[in-house]
Amino acid sequence: DTGVSQDPRHKITKRGQNVTFRCDPISEHNRLYWYRQTLGQGPEFLTYFQNEAQLEKSRLLSDRFSAERPKGSFSTLEIQRTEQGDSAMYLCASSTGDSLRTQYFGPGTRLTVL
Amino acid sequence: AQSVTQLGSHVSVSEGALVLLRCNYSSSVPPYLFWYVQYPNQGLQLLLKYTTGATLVKGINGFEAEFKKSETSFHLTKPSAHMSDAAEYFCAVSDQGGYNKLIFGAGTRLAVHP
Repeated sequence: DTGVSQDPRHKITKRGQNVTFRCDPISEHNRLYWYRQTLGQGPEFLTYFQNEAQLEKSRLLSDRFSAERPKGSFSTLEIQRTEQGDSAMYLCASSTGDSLRTQYFGPGTRLTVL
Repeated sequence: AQSVTQLGSHVSVSEGALVLLRCNYSSSVPPYLFWYVQYPNQGLQLLLKYTTGATLVKGINGFEAEFKKSETSFHLTKPSAHMSDAAEYFCAVSDQGGYNKLIFGAGTRLAVHP
């Protein structure tokens, strides 16, 4: 098994620009999660996909954020009109749907908004 | 609602000393509990997890944790610290509302000195 991969690993952008991140989960993992981690804090849940369906969104996910998983495989997270407060590590995790419920995390995308 | 509290944002031990990282949880249902480790600029790696059954759980790299329902605790221990254990450690509880998102504590940074 290759692990969860994320691209890019680092992104620096100017305030007001749009950015898009990609997550490739472990193959055949039908569950996919996005989390955000700010400096000195634990990850916070953003959104969850089961196959291609987005089943839960956190209130942290403002209308500037959108996530997709069009074919139930990879996922994208887009942030429109970035703000300095969006600077964080964005983590993706995947899991199977069995009772073990272990989430495997990717290396993350570190976003810096100037 | 579920929550996790990690006591001590920073813990420092000598190489060879006992490591004890504290985690208390709040959950209205029997919890699934996890410890993850994060090295600088990397994603999270699962150390160990408790789902059901034996309350003493052994993980990777010599770590173990004990689920104590009466104390709502899931403390992480390692008998003898190694320099390579220096990292940030996160305790998490799984939201069993159907989608199993993880709710993390704020993390404990472990420093190991010679």
